Amino acid sequence: NAGVTQTPKFRVLKTGQSMTLLCAQDMNHEYMYWYRQDPGMGLRLIHYSVGEGTTAKGEVPDGYNVSRLKKQNFLLGLESAAPSQTSVYFCASTPRWSTLFFGPGTRLTVL
Amino acid sequence: AQTVTQSQPEMSVQEAETVTLSCTYDTSESNYYLFWYKQPPSRQMILVIRQEAYKQQNATENRFSVNFQKAAKSFSLKISDSQLGDTAMYFCAFISYGGATNKLIFGTGTLLAVQP
Repeated sequence: NAGVTQTPKFRVLKTGQSMTLLCAQDMNHEYMYWYRQDPGMGLRLIHYSVGEGTTAKGEVPDGYNVSRLKKQNFLLGLESAAPSQTSVYFCASTPRWSTLFFGPGTRLTVL
Repeated sequence: AQTVTQSQPEMSVQEAETVTLSCTYDTSESNYYLFWYKQPPSRQMILVIRQEAYKQQNATENRFSVNFQKAAKSFSLKISDSQLGDTAMYFCAFISYGGATNKLIFGTGTLLAVQP
């Protein structure tokens, strides 16, 4: 099992550009999450999904969109990147109400 | 709203000694899990220990143990015989179940440095 994987691992964008981060899990988990990590602020929830075809907003959803068309994939989109979105992004999954398994993270810099 | 508070931004301990990291949380839910995650310089999030709220017995994993005080909403992590490899950021986290939330809420973290 690969567990939770994230693509890409690093990315540099210019302000206004768009991109999609891909999260994939091969553990047949129902729940998937996107977090961002900023110094001194811990991990903050952006969006999450409790099943294929469903998504919900977390603490800091503005400027991001998500989709869960397939159970194993959870995509995070930035339509028009801003410097405030410079962060490390983590994806996580869990079977249900249990331990979250995290991906390795994506470091995104917006210039 | 559910919150998790870690009041110690940084801590330091000598190798082989014991250190305790503090965490408090606030919730009106009765069914939940509490976690400690470790994040070394590699950035990978690693589960250290998990506690189910309905269990009175404190969880232990080798050198790691917790002091879970449900009434006080306190969940501290004790690391015994500290090793250099324990140097990392430690996050306390909370998730409720059975309700509509299903979200893992994190504290802001404690950076632990183990000194040789």
